[in-house]
Amino acid sequence: AQKITQTQPGMFVQEKEAVTLDCTYDTSDPSYGLFWYKQPSSGEMIFLIYQGSYDQQNATEGRYSLNFQKARKSANLVISASQLGDSAMYFCAMREGNFMNDKIIFGKGTRLHILP
Amino acid sequence: DAEITQSPRHKITETGRQVTLACHQTWNHNNMFWYRQDLGHGLRLIHYSYGVQDTNKGEVSDGYSVSRSNTEDLPLTLESAASSQTSVYFCASSGQGSHNEQFFGPGTRLTVL
Repeated sequence: AQKITQTQPGMFVQEKEAVTLDCTYDTSDPSYGLFWYKQPSSGEMIFLIYQGSYDQQNATEGRYSLNFQKARKSANLVISASQLGDSAMYFCAMREGNFMNDKIIFGKGTRLHILP
Repeated sequence: DAEITQSPRHKITETGRQVTLACHQTWNHNNMFWYRQDLGHGLRLIHYSYGVQDTNKGEVSDGYSVSRSNTEDLPLTLESAASSQTSVYFCASSGQGSHNEQFFGPGTRLTVL
C-alpha cells in the first residue's frame, strides 16, 4: 500500500485563486512529520513547509499553509492568491518514527498549472 | 553559503559500464540520501547514510551501491548500467532535529543507451 497518496496528477487554476493540493498518508506510528516540496520546470527541489504529528496548530509559511487533519490522515497544501510562478510539480512527503530516522517517503506528485 | 552539489549534471553511458555519480555537501550534515525520479513514480529512495561508514539500502537499491568515507561525500555507483536506470538522480542531505528538511542537489540526468 502506498504510504503517501496524491490523487491529483494535474490541476489547472486561475491566477490569484487559492489552490488546495491533496495529500493523504498511511502510518501506524504516532510520531511522524509531513513535508511539502516544490519542483519547478528547472528541476530543483524546494522545501516549502513542515508539519509534525504532535504540532497543535497547522503550519504556515507565507502564502503556504498545511491543512492538517490528523484523524483523516490528511495533509493538504493550501496556496493562497496563486501566482504564475507557482506553476510546478508539488510533492508531499512523510518521515515516520523518531527524529533520528530521517528517511522520507515521497508521493508521486501533483503538477499545478496557473493560468493567466 | 553551504550547498550541495552533484556531478556530472548530465551523463550518457552504455549498457554494462560502471558509472559513478558524485554528491558533495558543505552543510556538515550527517545524513545523506540518493533518490531517483521517474515519471509517474515521484522520488524513490535508493540508498542513504546516517554518518561516516554507515550505508543503508532504500526502496530501489538493486544495481546501485554507495560508500561514505567522509562527512561531505556520498558517491553513487551503478555497477553495470542498465537501460532501466535511465533517470534523474537527486542527492539530498539533512541535519538532525525535529524540523530537519532535506536539502537537495540540482540533480544528474543519466541516460543509459
